Order: sequence, then structure tokens, then C-alpha cells
Amino acid sequence: NAGVTQTPKFRVLKTGQSMTLLCAQDMNHEYMYWYRQDPGMGLRLIHYSVGEGTTAKGEVPDGYNVSRLKKQNFLLGLESAAPSQTSVYFCASSTSGQFYGYTFGSGTRLTVV
Amino acid sequence: AQSVTQLDSQVPVFEEAPVELRCNYSSSVSVYLFWYVQYPNQGLQLLLKYLSGSTLVKGINGFEAEFNKSQTSFHLRKPSVHISDTAEYFCAVIPRGGSYIPTFGRGTSLIVHP
Repeated sequence: NAGVTQTPKFRVLKTGQSMTLLCAQDMNHEYMYWYRQDPGMGLRLIHYSVGEGTTAKGEVPDGYNVSRLKKQNFLLGLESAAPSQTSVYFCASSTSGQFYGYTFGSGTRLTVV
Repeated sequence: AQSVTQLDSQVPVFEEAPVELRCNYSSSVSVYLFWYVQYPNQGLQLLLKYLSGSTLVKGINGFEAEFNKSQTSFHLRKPSVHISDTAEYFCAVIPRGGSYIPTFGRGTSLIVHP
């Protein structure tokens, strides 16, 4: 019963490099989300998906792309990393009804130097 | 659109003392209300939620929250805190019948001193 699994847990990138963060859930949830968490800013929604093959922009989508080719996976890509993207990234999933709240992953700490 | 204001960024308290973490929201439609807790270096966990019915909601670890529609508030309380309650607490709202996308507050850091 893994819930939501994020990989990797830590990563250091150089400015301009690209990478993909993987989120996998085993609860058959329809909705999946990517958030970033910065000190004093709370959680800000980057992108989300309401089902396989769908994606939508959140509050802070610039510099990120996502894909949801399989229901259980939600990938977050950084095409050309910038120091401003240094953050902790959280993936979450939920049922379409939202009555049970979100299930969060344990986070990916990304540093861009 | 919705907004959530957590009135205190940090709340220091001594062990076994009561605590209240304040949350106010603004929304043009009815909302569902949630509190999440984040322990150091972990993801967020659902603490409690208000969907409908009784305005006093009980959650895990002895926490409770009261929904006040007239004051648009959803304050979190615990009568006696433990060292292990030291964590970041987030209030969130989701519009009813809408996109099911939550809006989070900026968080309140609860620091419990021995």
C-alpha cells in the first residue's frame, strides 16, 4: 500500500539542465497534481490532471511541462532549469469527488545552481 | 476565486498548553474545508475536513476545528499539545460543485516547547 511515490527524493541541477520528476499512485485516483512549496509561500499549484491523457495549468505553470500517459503516473518536466525553480516539489492525488482529501507524496527537494 | 488566510505564520506554545491555529477564507460560493499537517521532511497528511453537517469537526491526534460560516473561519484547536505536534499546518478550501482544485493557505508553524 504505497500511496503516492515520488522519485527522485533529492536532485541538484545546473542552470539550463533538464530533468523529469516522476509521480506514481496505486490508488486508482483520477486527479493528480504537482505543487511547489517555498518558504512563506505555502503550496502553489503548477499543473494538474483530471484523468489519463489530460493536463491543465495551475497557478505557476511557466517553465514546467507535464504528461499523464498512464492513469497511475504524472510526470513533471523542467526543460531548462533556473535557480528560481529551486524548491520542494510535491505530487498529490485524489478521487474525483474530493471527499477524502488529497494523498501527498513525500516530496522532491530540487536545487538548481 | 477563493483565498485562504492563515493569520499566524508561527505559533510557539508550551507542552500541555491549549492551542488555536486560525484560518479565514474568502469565496463567492460554498466551500469544503480542510486542515493538513506536514511533519519535517514529509508530505502533507489530512488532519480533518468539513463537508457538511455539524460545524464541529474532530480529526486525528486530538485536533478539532469549528466551521463558522458568518465569520468565514475554520480555526483548528487542540486542548493540550505534545512535543510531537510540532509541525507545519495548512488550511485549504475547495469550492463546492467546481473544479475540485483546492486553495491552500501559506501555513502556520506550530512550535511546541518542553
